[in-house]
Amino acid sequence: GAGVSQSPSNKVTEKGKDVELRCDPISGHTALYWYRQSLGQGLEFLIYFQGNSAPDKSGLPSDRFSAERTGGSVSTLTIQRTQQEDSAVYLCASSLFLNPSYNEQFFGPGTRLTVL
Amino acid sequence: AQSVTQLGSHVSVSEGALVLLRCNYSSSVPPYLFWYVQYPNQGLQLLLKYTSAATLVKGINGFEAEFKKSETSFHLTKPSAHMSDAAEYFCAVLGGSNYKLTFGKGTLLTVNP
Repeated sequence: GAGVSQSPSNKVTEKGKDVELRCDPISGHTALYWYRQSLGQGLEFLIYFQGNSAPDKSGLPSDRFSAERTGGSVSTLTIQRTQQEDSAVYLCASSLFLNPSYNEQFFGPGTRLTVL
Repeated sequence: AQSVTQLGSHVSVSEGALVLLRCNYSSSVPPYLFWYVQYPNQGLQLLLKYTSAATLVKGINGFEAEFKKSETSFHLTKPSAHMSDAAEYFCAVLGGSNYKLTFGKGTLLTVNP
């Protein structure tokens, strides 16, 4: 596609439910990133993928959070047993290379998650 | 470790006035620096980036930024503000990890008619 797409754009869920957030990166981009944007914490790195592997999961806030990427393309971020503090905008980005000079990260529109 | 400090969470200017958004960074390695803009209910759009090729970087929409190593700064400027510039602006650093962007807290720019 022309840009990074994310679905759903908005998700309202009840505390304790599981949610899945989807990211479609720009075609051909090998690297994919998830960030979280919340009022209290600003923009935080969660995880990044190079191909299908995730060398750095250090930003995932708890073991309730997991992510996978299949076929070197689509990624899913799953939050189990959601809590109210999980409410935030989840942003996905992709980039062509890891060479810093080329590592321009293109962001999707985000998924706004509200946990009631 | 890398960090970014944006001075001023909210900046208000008049249309036609100079825009100056401040960013200071801390990095243990030569940094790559970015400015992103976020319009309401949208994702982040890259305005410009510094990758050591030139200290004065020109970006989209008339914005530019100057990398000053001695001041560890990367301030964003635009000579004349336009109403359409109203948005939130984020400075970010890509440090030793080469993949993890560390963002500042953001500066909300308001442009008054």
